[in-house]
Amino acid sequence: EADIYQTPRYLVIGTGKKITLECSQTMGHDKMYWYQQDPGMELHLIHYSYGVNSTEKGDLSSESTVSRIRTEHFPLTLESARPSHTSQYLCASSQLANQETQYFGPGTRLLVL
Amino acid sequence: GDSVTQMEGPVTLSEEAFLTINCTYTATGYPSLFWYVQYPGEGLQLLLKATKADDKGSNKGFEATYRKETTSFHLEKGSVQVSDSAVYFCALSDGGNNRLAFGKGNQVVVIP
Repeated sequence: EADIYQTPRYLVIGTGKKITLECSQTMGHDKMYWYQQDPGMELHLIHYSYGVNSTEKGDLSSESTVSRIRTEHFPLTLESARPSHTSQYLCASSQLANQETQYFGPGTRLLVL
Repeated sequence: GDSVTQMEGPVTLSEEAFLTINCTYTATGYPSLFWYVQYPGEGLQLLLKATKADDKGSNKGFEATYRKETTSFHLEKGSVQVSDSAVYFCALSDGGNNRLAFGKGNQVVVIP
């Protein structure tokens, strides 16, 4: 069982609000990821991090930002939410020595009105 | 770039039926191949993997064989249960940057 947590699980918010999606893992993994999952279920990598103070853009351009101040914590922030940001956001982590095996959190379903 | 293609559309079948989900890949190197499963309301879990040609990954009654000649990694299970209802994702890692490329996923619904 993966020890990776995401909060909130569901969020409904109005346009223009600032939001932060939380992700924490207790496995001591250095590498962490954020994926956006669209209604068609396809996954897109939007951010990743190799460790503390490391953040990288993924394959899909995103208006969100991330930070990695602590190994176990990798929050994602939207400064001004828009309806186009409505999606499911999945956080994942892996060991640097075994990056192919990723452990996923349960996801946050975001609805922006 | 490297990519994975899964068969279109959901899969609906009866309990104890045989399940096959097709997956083909395009890669320049020698990727590792994976099947991940997403149960309702949960994140993805690694189901099985294969790291080189002719390897067979297996777990929970599911199997997939890495076929280099056909660039495929089809998922099979001989007798599905209602509890196997989930979304199944095929993925590859090229090893170079250790990033996973996912297919679009297939919704599997098993009817009692």
